[in-house]
Amino acid sequence: TQLLEQSPQFLSIQEGENLTVYCNSSSVFSSLQWYRQEPGEGPVLLVTVVTGGEVKKLKRLTFQFGDARKDSSLHITAAQPGDTGLYLCAGLDNYGQNFVFGPGTRLSVLP
Amino acid sequence: GAGVSQSPSNKVTEKGKDVELRCDPISGHTALYWYRQSLGQGLEFLIYFQGNSAPDKSGLPSDRFSAERTGGSVSTLTIQRTQQEDSAVYLCASSPIGGEGYEQYFGPGTRLTVT
Repeated sequence: TQLLEQSPQFLSIQEGENLTVYCNSSSVFSSLQWYRQEPGEGPVLLVTVVTGGEVKKLKRLTFQFGDARKDSSLHITAAQPGDTGLYLCAGLDNYGQNFVFGPGTRLSVLP
Repeated sequence: GAGVSQSPSNKVTEKGKDVELRCDPISGHTALYWYRQSLGQGLEFLIYFQGNSAPDKSGLPSDRFSAERTGGSVSTLTIQRTQQEDSAVYLCASSPIGGEGYEQYFGPGTRLTVT
């Protein structure tokens, strides 16, 4: 069974600070996605990374896929209250059909 | 355009009753997923439909859970003889093509509470 772990579980920071959250596994994934979920809503896709070592930037968000495709990180620069939410990573399983989700990092950015 | 819709948004039921949860995917999307999310947790895969292929039911937790997708569009998740541990948010997602990193568009979920 492929599992994903995320750390930290909870993170509370002040507006303007930088942060990094992590997604780790002992398994290799062919691709990995990051989602953000706000209360009462479904997750919304932020990015998909496919190639080992790949780095993608989305405004203040930087996503990195590990060289071995077993881990990923999300770095947010100058966090804003609008970044508050549950950040989920999801890896495409070995059959290439279903996504395995991590438990999420709950981020709170205080004004 | 219209996104994924789910109904009802909230459902409270007594232990032992059957419930049906509905998902209307984005028109033209061939792949449809059901997930379960317990409070503050990640998503647990339940079932996956892709076109006319047999569904992947590997995530269904017990034989009390079943799902159908009629005409390649609307899907219904049925839970028979509900138990308190079934309480969770049930999320549906659709995708133009399953897997391969294609974006899943999620509905807002149905919050199920079993009393």
